[in-house]
Amino acid sequence: NAGVMQNPRHLVRRRGQEARLRCSPMKGHSHVYWYRQLPEEGLKFMVYLQKENIIDESGMPKERFSAEFPKEGPSILRIQQVVRGDSAAYFCASSSNRLAANTGELFFGEGSRLTVL
Amino acid sequence: AQTVTQSQPEMSVQEAETVTLSCTYDTSESDYYLFWYKQPPSRQMILVIRQEAYKQQNATENRFSVNFQKAAKSFSLKISDSQLGDAAMYFCAYIGGADGLTFGKGTHLIIQP
Repeated sequence: NAGVMQNPRHLVRRRGQEARLRCSPMKGHSHVYWYRQLPEEGLKFMVYLQKENIIDESGMPKERFSAEFPKEGPSILRIQQVVRGDSAAYFCASSSNRLAANTGELFFGEGSRLTVL
Repeated sequence: AQTVTQSQPEMSVQEAETVTLSCTYDTSESDYYLFWYKQPPSRQMILVIRQEAYKQQNATENRFSVNFQKAAKSFSLKISDSQLGDAAMYFCAYIGGADGLTFGKGTHLIIQP
């Protein structure tokens, strides 16, 4: 039973390019959370999605960042026109439902490390 | 807004000894959960222990236990009989509203052989 799968594990982009990070939740999970971890910092909540719906995007920057979780396929975090400040580790976590997530039944992937040159 | 504060950027302990990692938080909620996560060099976040705020009894998981002081909004993690495999970043986290987990900045735990 595979855990949360994130790819790519490492991504290098030049300023102005686009970055796409993918997250496949655990089997049977339909709730996905994205977090960003800056160097020497804890994880910061970005967005919470269910299949085909954005439930809470209060942590997402207003510009250049978007997320989706289509009916089929992985969740995608998309960063357009990347800047150096976007360099960070981006973590995805999944749960079977909102209550499970609130009680700690939240499973994390190994993260995608984005480096912007 | 909720905040989580870890005042110890780094802690060091001798193998087999006991170490306590500190965490304080601020919230106006009465019902919430608190967690300690471990992040080893592989970077995956691993849940170590969790505490439900309405439970007065401190959570325990094998060598890991917490000291939960609700009135003081304090949630420390005690690791007994420290092992080399315990070396990692440890993050205290809170959830009680609609904004997902709120994490502290972490404590880097070093185990001295």
